[in-house]
Amino acid sequence: GQQLNQSPQSMFIQEGEDVSMNCTSSSIFNTWLWYKQDPGEGPVLLIALYKAGELTSNGRLTAQFGITRKDSFLNISASIPSDVGIYFCAGTQAGANNLFFGTGTRLTVIP
Amino acid sequence: KAGVTQTPRYLIKTRGQQVTLSCSPISGHRSVSWYQQTPGQGLQFLFEYFSETQRNKGNFPGRFSGRQFSNSRSEMNVSTLELGDSALYLCASRQGKESPLHFGNGTRLTVT
Repeated sequence: GQQLNQSPQSMFIQEGEDVSMNCTSSSIFNTWLWYKQDPGEGPVLLIALYKAGELTSNGRLTAQFGITRKDSFLNISASIPSDVGIYFCAGTQAGANNLFFGTGTRLTVIP
Repeated sequence: KAGVTQTPRYLIKTRGQQVTLSCSPISGHRSVSWYQQTPGQGLQFLFEYFSETQRNKGNFPGRFSGRQFSNSRSEMNVSTLELGDSALYLCASRQGKESPLHFGNGTRLTVT
């Protein structure tokens, strides 16, 4: 399947710090989505992006759809303990309805 | 509005058996997709159904099959289970082709 390279693989940060993670691909994507998954649960949609250059916020979360359409980033500001989890980027390509997922970024927030 | 509901939450089966997993989408969502999640391979697409028709299929063997009913509920079946089929199976639904997927909490299948 399509490869989405997500980095970093894991992060350990202090509560209150800002976090940044990104996702890149060698191919163009039409949509970029960011999900968070807690242990024992399914991924929960955080932000959906539909246009190149689009910058969208959801509370303390901000995500951008890269201009080249081959990348996206997610920022979390002023992290709190409940931000702990695995964050996945995902995207769809023209002609295919299924989502391709990144490998995930495991976030640990130290109180 | 109730979210995507998957049953059962946990299943233990032995090699060679078959298993059926069930998914009820969010009310009003006609598209249902299935994904397999493993530590080694991550989240991989199995198939998508829309209005009882398979619209898209991932790269899995024919042992993996699915169907969708007229009320949009979906089932997936895995026959002749192998140890490597142990995974979290996630169902997701969406309203339309361009809408984002909303996931259930999955069925954790363990094959012994």
